[in-house]
Amino acid sequence: EPEVTQTPSHQVTQMGQEVILRCVPISNHLYFYWYRQILGQKVEFLVSFYNNEISEKSEIFDDQFSVERPDGSNFTLKIRSTKLEDSAMYFCASSERTGPGNTIYFGEGSWLTVV
Amino acid sequence: DAKTTQPPSMDCAEGRAANLPCNHSTISGNEYVYWYRQIHSQGPQYIIHGLKNNETNEMASLIITEDRKSSTLILPHATLRDTAVYYCIVRPGSGSARQLTFGSGTQLTVLP
Repeated sequence: EPEVTQTPSHQVTQMGQEVILRCVPISNHLYFYWYRQILGQKVEFLVSFYNNEISEKSEIFDDQFSVERPDGSNFTLKIRSTKLEDSAMYFCASSERTGPGNTIYFGEGSWLTVV
Repeated sequence: DAKTTQPPSMDCAEGRAANLPCNHSTISGNEYVYWYRQIHSQGPQYIIHGLKNNETNEMASLIITEDRKSSTLILPHATLRDTAVYYCIVRPGSGSARQLTFGSGTQLTVLP
């Protein structure tokens, strides 16, 4: 069964450092997403991406965050200058199309710890 | 987005059916009901979705009431590996690509 893959599975970084989280969406999918989950809290939407541009972003996705599809297979989330409160599990997701009848599939997550 | 209400926790005996309820009384006519689960901080796993009709797949069955104000996810023969947080999500019918708003879900514990 096709799946969304994410790397790294766990990263520890110092406050103020830049972090790039990588994702390989399901191959025929066109819509890509990042969500995050702070320990013990709900899964929260960050951003959606289609046709090489951001479709929608939440209030969490400020100027510190950026997304990119650098080639035909990868989708990345960059955090420019990490803060302690960025410590969370980050989930990449993808869907074939958008719209309520199209399922969004999630990767296993990248656990980011900022120290 | 239509809100959902789920019990915070449920137990189920291994091998028995697990019936997880969800209320979504403000659901609109073109909004789908989605179920995901999350096993111990892994990525949310898609289970099933439906609009009006009952649905069944290899994982579960989804029963939606005729007025669509509530639904039940049924795991027919629960195993210990089904212990997880189960999320019932109503997905907007138009516009937003955001589409999945997770609540607190129901912690299902399958007991041996």
